[in-house]
Amino acid sequence: EPEVTQTPSHQVTQMGQEVILRCVPISNHLYFYWYRQILGQKVEFLVSFYNNEISEKSEIFDDQFSVERPDGSNFTLKIRSTKLEDSAMYFCASSGRGGNGYEQYFGPGTRLTVT
Amino acid sequence: LAKTTQPISMDSYEGQEVNITCSHNNIATNDYITWYQQFPSQGPRFIIQGYKTKVTNEVASLFIPADRKSSTLSLPRVSLSDTAVYYCLVGSSGGSYIPTFGRGTSLIVHP
Repeated sequence: EPEVTQTPSHQVTQMGQEVILRCVPISNHLYFYWYRQILGQKVEFLVSFYNNEISEKSEIFDDQFSVERPDGSNFTLKIRSTKLEDSAMYFCASSGRGGNGYEQYFGPGTRLTVT
Repeated sequence: LAKTTQPISMDSYEGQEVNITCSHNNIATNDYITWYQQFPSQGPRFIIQGYKTKVTNEVASLFIPADRKSSTLSLPRVSLSDTAVYYCLVGSSGGSYIPTFGRGTSLIVHP
């Protein structure tokens, strides 16, 4: 069964550093998402991406965040200057179609620890 | 954006049927109802989706009454491995859609 993969599984960084989280969505999917989940809290939507541009973004997704699809397979989330409160699990997801009418496939997540 | 309300937690025992109800009073005409399951330190996993009446797949059933203001996820004969958090999401199949996960329902299955 096809799956979404994410690297690294765990990233430790110092406050103020830039991090790039990587995702490989399912190959024929066209809609991509990033979520975060702070320990013990709910899953929070960050951004959705379709046709090489952002479709929707939440209030969390401020100027410190950016997304990119640098090639035909990878989908990345960049945090320019990490803060302690960015420590969380970050999940990538992909879907064959947009909206809530279609299943999203989630990756295993990247645990980001900012010290 | 339709807001959802679920019980915070539920307990059950192996072999029992579990029903988790989600309220979504202001669901819109174009909105679908989707349920996800999440184990600790893993990404959510799709369980089932529906628009109205009843939907059944190999792992669960989804019951949606005619007014669509609520939905019930039914897990038949749960096992210990069904211990997880279950989320109900409501949103349009097209146009603007911001996936909103609430707190979910933490289901604990006891031996």
